[in-house]
Amino acid sequence: DTGVSQDPRHKITKRGQNVTFRCDPISEHNRLYWYRQTLGQGPEFLTYFQNEAQLEKSRLLSDRFSAERPKGSFSTLEIQRTEQGDSAMYLCASSEGYQPQHFGDGTRLSIL
Amino acid sequence: TQLLEQSPQFLSIQEGENLTVYCNSSSVFSSLQWYRQEPGEGPVLLVTVVTGGEVKKLKRLTFQFGDARKDSSLHITAAQPGDTGLYLCAGVTTSGTYKYIFGTGTRLKVLA
Repeated sequence: DTGVSQDPRHKITKRGQNVTFRCDPISEHNRLYWYRQTLGQGPEFLTYFQNEAQLEKSRLLSDRFSAERPKGSFSTLEIQRTEQGDSAMYLCASSEGYQPQHFGDGTRLSIL
Repeated sequence: TQLLEQSPQFLSIQEGENLTVYCNSSSVFSSLQWYRQEPGEGPVLLVTVVTGGEVKKLKRLTFQFGDARKDSSLHITAAQPGDTGLYLCAGVTTSGTYKYIFGTGTRLKVLA
């Protein structure tokens, strides 16, 4: 399967802990996006990369959140000092230029 | 801030019925995409519409992009239980950074 891959699929952690998610995009795609989705709602844009450059960050992305794409391939999203409100599905998508984006199946984060 | 509102938010119908989902905004988008998402999975792209007034058909699904590229509709003919899911529209912004704004979602349930 050569689709977008996200790891882990599920993460349960205690409030205050740090978590890191990984996204492996489709190999030839130069753009990579992170979204957050709560139950029954549409995805909310968090940030996106073109190659290794982070071009935009949403105001939703507080200073506890950081994303990287060091070599322009896979990306990581880290949340420090997690809070209850961080519980959500974190989705990654990739695209080649202005072509439609393709999504991974997400990482579901639950904060105890 | 560009927003996309979808209606209805929830829809429960019997197999064989027709339905229309609307996606509206006061902003212009360079293109618009429709996705379907099932529980525990990422959104899957159904179609991209680019030109104002464009109509695309995908089997029993008909997609239309408004003339002014501010709104779109999805019409399903003779709905089937397999059409059940969360339908999302996503507009691509025309100004500044190229990114996607997702609609609020329409949760469809088709009863056998």
